[in-house]
Amino acid sequence: KAGVTQTPRYLIKTRGQQVTLSCSPISGHRSVSWYQQTPGQGLQFLFEYFSETQRNKGNFPGRFSGRQFSNSRSEMNVSTLELGDSALYLCASTPGLAGYEQYFGPGTRLTVT
Amino acid sequence: AQKITQTQPGMFVQEKEAVTLDCTYDTSDQSYGLFWYKQPSSGEMIFLIYQGSYDEQNATEGRYSLNFQKARKSANLVISASQLGDSAMYFCAMRGGPNDYKLSFGAGTTVTVRA
Repeated sequence: KAGVTQTPRYLIKTRGQQVTLSCSPISGHRSVSWYQQTPGQGLQFLFEYFSETQRNKGNFPGRFSGRQFSNSRSEMNVSTLELGDSALYLCASTPGLAGYEQYFGPGTRLTVT
Repeated sequence: AQKITQTQPGMFVQEKEAVTLDCTYDTSDQSYGLFWYKQPSSGEMIFLIYQGSYDEQNATEGRYSLNFQKARKSANLVISASQLGDSAMYFCAMRGGPNDYKLSFGAGTTVTVRA
């Protein structure tokens, strides 16, 4: 079974631009979560989607948004990029049932200059 | 709200020896899950082991075992017979009740295995 895939793997953007990251979960998994990892703040939860509905949201500004498609693929968007948005963005998928571990993708490393 | 504390920023361990990584947690939930993940320098988070709050036995997965002490709110990871490929960052994480699908992570512990 293929794992979680994320595209692109690396991205360089300029302040003020916007960016869209994509995540394809493991086949059959209906829940997708996004996390931001930075050296200063560590791993922080962004949001979680299940069957195209956002179920949980972390404490991030409205510039961070996401969506999930009917095939469970998910995208996250960051508008008006700031230098502090430079981070590794990790996507994780689960079947969506309680008790199941989250399987992570390789991440997208975003650099904002 | 959940809080995960990992007090060991970095550890060195000799190849073939065992190492224990500390993790304490704080939560008001009665039902919760505890996880350990490994993150090599490549960045991908690799699931290692899971312990549910109602599981009476400590979880084991190959060379990984979780020493779960509920009263002390600790969930230490033991890696037996360390290998060079175990060198990585290790994160303890927690999920809240049945309807909570987000993970709260600790700061991580860097493990370096020496030959």
